Formats: sequence, structure tokens, C-alpha cells
Amino acid sequence: GAGVSQSPRYKVAKRGQDVALRCDPISGHVSLFWYQQALGQGPEFLTYFQNEAQLDKSGLPSDRFFAERPEGSVSTLKIQRTQQEDSAVYLCASSFTAANEKLFFGSGTQLSVL
Amino acid sequence: EDQVTQSPEALRLQEGESSSLNCSYTVSGLRGLFWYRQDPGKGPEFLFTLYSAGEEKEKERLKATLTKKESFLHITAPKPEDSATYLCAALVTGNQFYFGTGTSLTVIP
Repeated sequence: GAGVSQSPRYKVAKRGQDVALRCDPISGHVSLFWYQQALGQGPEFLTYFQNEAQLDKSGLPSDRFFAERPEGSVSTLKIQRTQQEDSAVYLCASSFTAANEKLFFGSGTQLSVL
Repeated sequence: EDQVTQSPEALRLQEGESSSLNCSYTVSGLRGLFWYRQDPGKGPEFLFTLYSAGEEKEKERLKATLTKKESFLHITAPKPEDSATYLCAALVTGNQFYFGTGTSLTVIP
């Protein structure tokens, strides 16, 4: 596709439910990032992949958060047993090279946990 | 601790009224300073990358500059379509970006 695609666009979950957020990066992009953006805040780093390898997951807030990119393209961010504090926009970004000189962002998934 | 701070948080300008947005950074191993524009309900869109103090880049009504401690985004004669949130981000060694909280710009016709 022409850009980074994320789905679903909106997700409402009941507290305790598991959710899965999908990111389709630009074809051929090596690097993939996940960010969490709370209302009125800047994006906060969650995790980083280079191809299928997860090189940094230091930003994942708890062991309820898990991300994968098994074939080095599509990535899924999974949140288990969702809590209200997980409500945020989850942004995915990809970059053509491992140098990450320019990130292309998707429009995000807005997660609301009730 | 690596930190990026933006000011002001919000800025209202009359159309044609030039101004500057500030991004102060305290990071180890800066590889680049990035500016992004974010419209409501959208992901950030890349504007500029600056790599070294003294560097300047321009695009239409926007000009970004970099010193050793801060970056400025100058907006000349803004138009209503320039209304958005402007984010800066520091890329550090280890391939991590640290984003500021953004400046919300409103340009009034």
C-alpha cells in the first residue's frame, strides 16, 4: 500500500479483555516501531523491530503487552487483560532502513477500555 | 535522563503573524532532531531532520534551525491550513526517538 495501515481504527474493550492491534508497514521497510500516545501528549516508545527481530522492548509498560512481527512485515501488538490506563492511541511507524532516518506513521488505533 | 521539552504548549496566531516554536533537548548521543506535524486523528507526518548545530532547513512557510541545546520551528506568515500540532523528536544512539509533548498551533483567518 501507499502508507502505513493500522487496524482497527477504533477499538472499545471491556476491562479484562484481550485486544490485538495490527500494523501493515510500507512494503520493504526494515524497521517498525510501536508508540503509545495519550491525549495531549507526544508519542511514547513501546517497542522496535528490525525485520522480524525485536531489538528493543524496553518501553512496554507491563508483561500484559506483547508485540510480534514473525515474517518481518505485518506486526501485531497484543494487550492482555486490558486496564483503563491502557486507553490511548497506539501508533505504528516504519522506516526504510535500519538507520531510521525518517519514520512514516499510520493513523493509529484508538483504544478505549471501559 | 533523556528529555525533550516543547514550548509553548499552545499558540494562537492571526493569519500572517509570524512566530517560533521551541524544542529543548537533553539527550545522550543525539543522532538527529526531527520535526513532525500531526493533524487531529492522524499520525505524525515528517517535516524535517537536522543533524548538526547551525543547520537550517526550509519548506514553504516553515524553517527549522538547530543549536546544541534546542531547535526552533519558525513559521512565516502562517495560513489557517498550518493549524496542527507540531512535534519534535530526538533520535539517539540505540535507534530510539524521544518525542516532546507538542505545540498546538491555531491560525485564525
